[in-house]
Amino acid sequence: GAVVSQHPSRVICKSGTSVKIECRSLDFQATTMFWYRQFPKKSLMLMATSNEGSKATYEQGVEKDKFLINHASLTLSTLTVTSAHPEDSSFYICSVPKSGDSGHEQFFGPGTRLTVL
Amino acid sequence: DAKTTQPPSMDCAEGRAANLPCNHSTISGNEYVYWYRQIHSQGPQYIIHGLKNNETNEMASLIITEDRKSSTLILPHATLRDTAVYYCIVRVGGVYNQGGKLIFGQGTELSVKP
Repeated sequence: GAVVSQHPSRVICKSGTSVKIECRSLDFQATTMFWYRQFPKKSLMLMATSNEGSKATYEQGVEKDKFLINHASLTLSTLTVTSAHPEDSSFYICSVPKSGDSGHEQFFGPGTRLTVL
Repeated sequence: DAKTTQPPSMDCAEGRAANLPCNHSTISGNEYVYWYRQIHSQGPQYIIHGLKNNETNEMASLIITEDRKSSTLILPHATLRDTAVYYCIVRVGGVYNQGGKLIFGQGTELSVKP
């Protein structure tokens, strides 16, 4: 079964609105989660590291005021795309690393496809 | 920037072994080699990882050269469902680094053909 879920799987919104995407770890607690975006026929680009209990860490070039991340609990991280514009249309994916000795594996969510009109 | 080089695309006949190469000539001693794949419009899926020894699991085998500058992912009997983009990633491992971020390169688009 799924280890990481994302909601919604697909969203279409008007330009200027804000969109919230949820990432849930279903099988284990995660103090860290990662957010990626992927444009068509491109690779995944890491946007930020979501940290439970502290501020997210953003990769260079990613606007923290544009992409708000909240790690509300040990199983939930949210990404809010504020004042979305057509260029924000993309596939957003979260991942959850499994901690511990066997923690080499990271589990990815199924992704959220955002289309901004 | 990604620290690996992979061919952009490969074809493989169904039922045959798929051998996907990866060059990581600048790998450090504490960096592991990870392989993930992404089927179209889905999130990536972990396949296998290794440090210096060859590894095998139910999905694939990973062959790492003795100097660790390159590796090959082997899918022993490719099926149509193995059609995906395969990513080779190097990252510092170890107990305290397993939660570290993964940086994806361009990957290899594998097409398994009937």
